[in-house]
Amino acid sequence: GNSVTQMEGPVTLSEEAFLTINCTYTATGYPSLFWYVQYPGEGLQLLLKATKADDKGSNKGFEATYRKETTSFHLEKGSVQVSDSAVYFCALILIQGAQKLVFGQGTRLTINP
Amino acid sequence: DAEITQSPRHKITETGRQVTLACHQTWNHNNMFWYRQDLGHGLRLIHYSYGVHDTNKGEVSDGYSVSRSNTEDLPLTLESAASSQTSVYFCASSESKGTWQGYTFGSGTRLTVV
Repeated sequence: GNSVTQMEGPVTLSEEAFLTINCTYTATGYPSLFWYVQYPGEGLQLLLKATKADDKGSNKGFEATYRKETTSFHLEKGSVQVSDSAVYFCALILIQGAQKLVFGQGTRLTINP
Repeated sequence: DAEITQSPRHKITETGRQVTLACHQTWNHNNMFWYRQDLGHGLRLIHYSYGVHDTNKGEVSDGYSVSRSNTEDLPLTLESAASSQTSVYFCASSESKGTWQGYTFGSGTRLTVV
């Protein structure tokens, strides 16, 4: 089946630190990949996406590259801010299939000033 | 502006009662989804719909039902609430198949079953 595995949290960093949140996937076809972010008390927002191998999604200083050979889509940011504190979800979808998003378990990120 | 709204934001109910959570979107999206969010499980799909009168079961559909009588609404009903259904519920919508633009999520409903 299709599944997403994220690094376990919580993750706590100091402001301006480098961030990596690992994400790997298993898919029966050729998925599109996403990172969603959930700020406290809110719903999920699309952060970035990539639809084919070697694509790099980017937004708000965050980046992730679709690596088909390692089935990975790791989220990175060079210098985190307190406002980046949130829960981050990696997800996949098979556009040719049922178009249902499959989520990882989420990683809670806390940035200390 | 188009939006997707869920109501109520918070609900406390007793075991055995029927509960309905509302989801209303003005994006004119054909696809709508209900997820539940639990610590350690991420988001799990309960039910989904690709259009009016279409409904499908997700991975955790037992004890839940949905109906789609128009494009805008996909209410989620808990037939007989159980403590295991205490969770945060999210509704989402997306464009039709083949025109992938991502999901739009509501702000969630926190349901407590006592």
